[in-house]
Amino acid sequence: QVQLVQSGAEVRKSGASVKVSCKASGFTFTGNFFHWVRQAPGQGLEWMGRINANSGGANYAQQFQGRITMTRDTSINTVYMELRRLRSDDTAIYYCATTVVVVSPFDYWGQGTLVTVSS
Amino acid sequence: EIVLTQSPGTLSLSPGERATLSCRASQSVSSNYLAWYQQKPGQAPRLLIHGASSRATGIPDRFSGSGSGTDFTLTISRLEPEDFAVYYCQQYGSSLALTFGGGTKVEIK
Repeated sequence: QVQLVQSGAEVRKSGASVKVSCKASGFTFTGNFFHWVRQAPGQGLEWMGRINANSGGANYAQQFQGRITMTRDTSINTVYMELRRLRSDDTAIYYCATTVVVVSPFDYWGQGTLVTVSS
Repeated sequence: EIVLTQSPGTLSLSPGERATLSCRASQSVSSNYLAWYQQKPGQAPRLLIHGASSRATGIPDRFSGSGSGTDFTLTISRLEPEDFAVYYCQQYGSSLALTFGGGTKVEIK
């Protein structure tokens, strides 16, 4: 069955970087797109961007341009999201989700990774 | 970027009642690429509806979606205890700028 397992909670200081991983199983990794969505405490959902696991090409939401990078490692079926120059308002749960085609709702989600940014 | 506005912010209802949730888009949603998700505390969102009106696999038929263009609705015909949660709409037709609504909390009255 489709599974997305994310790395554990992280604590960072303001200005630092964080890299969250999402390991996929149960489907053909390179046949999918992977999205990252975050949710600040008590707030709604915010799409951050997506990566094509086959080509490695990524598209990012405008508000994250310049401080986000999404990568993948096809040898271990894992995608990564790195966010740099962290601020306190980056404190959130970060989710990965996967889709088979570019234009698709998100059928499958990871369990989420809490990133806490302290000053 | 398409802005999605959900209303009401909170809906207070009793089990067995009907829930009607609204999602309004700032511009027309391409090909009705509009989805609805349910989220419970401590859990990832779960897909309920895609293409504005198609139920996702395993979703009970008390959940239904309707609408087109800029106005969409999620209806829960008879609320079960497990339906009390937060619901989000999402447009996924603008492939470089996917957006979510702010959410509607359905709480027990």
